[in-house]
Amino acid sequence: KAGVTQTPRYLIKTRGQQVTLSCSPISGHRSVSWYQQTPGQGLQFLFEYFSETQRNKGNFPGRFSGRQFSNSRSEMNVSTLELGDSALYLCASSFQQGSGANVLTFGAGSRLTVL
Amino acid sequence: KNEVEQSPQNLTAQEGEFITINCSYSVGISALHWLQQHPGGGIVSLFMLSSGKKKHGRLIATINIQEKHSSLHITASHPRDSAVYICAVFLPNTGNQFYFGTGTSLTVIP
Repeated sequence: KAGVTQTPRYLIKTRGQQVTLSCSPISGHRSVSWYQQTPGQGLQFLFEYFSETQRNKGNFPGRFSGRQFSNSRSEMNVSTLELGDSALYLCASSFQQGSGANVLTFGAGSRLTVL
Repeated sequence: KNEVEQSPQNLTAQEGEFITINCSYSVGISALHWLQQHPGGGIVSLFMLSSGKKKHGRLIATINIQEKHSSLHITASHPRDSAVYICAVFLPNTGNQFYFGTGTSLTVIP
């Protein structure tokens, strides 16, 4: 069974640009959650999608957004990139809603560098 | 204010030693996760606990809900256990927030 697939794995952008990251969950998983990991702040929860709806959201500005498609694949977008957005962005999938209350399977992450 | 505190931050052990990593949290939770992150970034979920104890191979995780404390134990540690171990708690009464500890970096020396 294929794991959680994140693309791209690495990307470099400049300040002010926008970026879209993709996450394909394990087949049959309907919940996708996103996380940001930086050396200074560690891991932080961004948001969770279930059945194409955002179910909960972490404490991030509106520049961070996402969506989920009918096949459960999810994308997250960061607009007007800032240097501080440089991070490893991880997604995880689970079968049920409420990512924290279910076993999670993580993707390998997308490492974003903002210059 | 950090809802999740882990200790120690760094840990070096000799191969074969018994290892304990601790996690304390300050609010009521519905679930606690132990995660393992190897160099390169990939995260593996080791355990999801809401009560009691779970065991998988050489790994044991316990949680004491009343004391708001969880421990991850590694028996007969091996160099391949070298990784960062992260504790995460799920707080359903605060908008389904998911908070992470800062991680414990473990190095097991052959």
